[in-house]
Amino acid sequence: GENVEQHPSTLSVQEGDSAVIKCTYSDSASNYFPWYKQELGKGPQLIIDIRSNVGEKKDQRIAVTLNKTAKHFSLHITETQPEDSAVYFCAASRGTSYDKVIFGPGTSLSVIP
Amino acid sequence: KAGVTQTPRYLIKTRGQQVTLSCSPISGHRSVSWYQQTPGQGLQFLFEYFSETQRNKGNFPGRFSGRQFSNSRSEMNVSTLELGDSALYLCASSMTGVNSPLHFGNGTRLTVT
Repeated sequence: GENVEQHPSTLSVQEGDSAVIKCTYSDSASNYFPWYKQELGKGPQLIIDIRSNVGEKKDQRIAVTLNKTAKHFSLHITETQPEDSAVYFCAASRGTSYDKVIFGPGTSLSVIP
Repeated sequence: KAGVTQTPRYLIKTRGQQVTLSCSPISGHRSVSWYQQTPGQGLQFLFEYFSETQRNKGNFPGRFSGRQFSNSRSEMNVSTLELGDSALYLCASSMTGVNSPLHFGNGTRLTVT
């Protein structure tokens, strides 16, 4: 069945450094790739998304890259801040209204002041 | 604009009982999807409703069911509860479905004893 792998499962960085989280998906028909951030006690919140007709997308300190050939996509956070500490989930879906969404297992990011 | 509201926040039930969880989506959102979050299995898609119709469902037993009302509010029901049903249940609303940005509620924490 469809599967999304995510690495690393935990990541610690010093404040100001960059953080990179990588995901791999199995369903070649996937074409919508969102990233969600979940803080303790809250539901996930969308931080950035990308569709398969785009290779890279940036929003201030956050960027996502997509390699459809390799079925990889990555989240890049630059100039990390303590408030970036959270669990991050990647996800993939086929982008149709009748599809299900598959989430990666999550990455717990800790930014050390 | 009010966010997604889930009630109740916490529930404690006994094995064999049934439970109903409620979700009020963002105004104007017609899609509501449900997810089970556990430490071991991560975020698992349960089902999605759009305009009162179930459009897709994940790999969960028939004990898990849901419905959506004409005002887009949704309920999820779990019958004959098992210990393994203990989890955080999240609902998310969106304009068109799981292929568009999901807005999550803060979840209902269900504990089965």
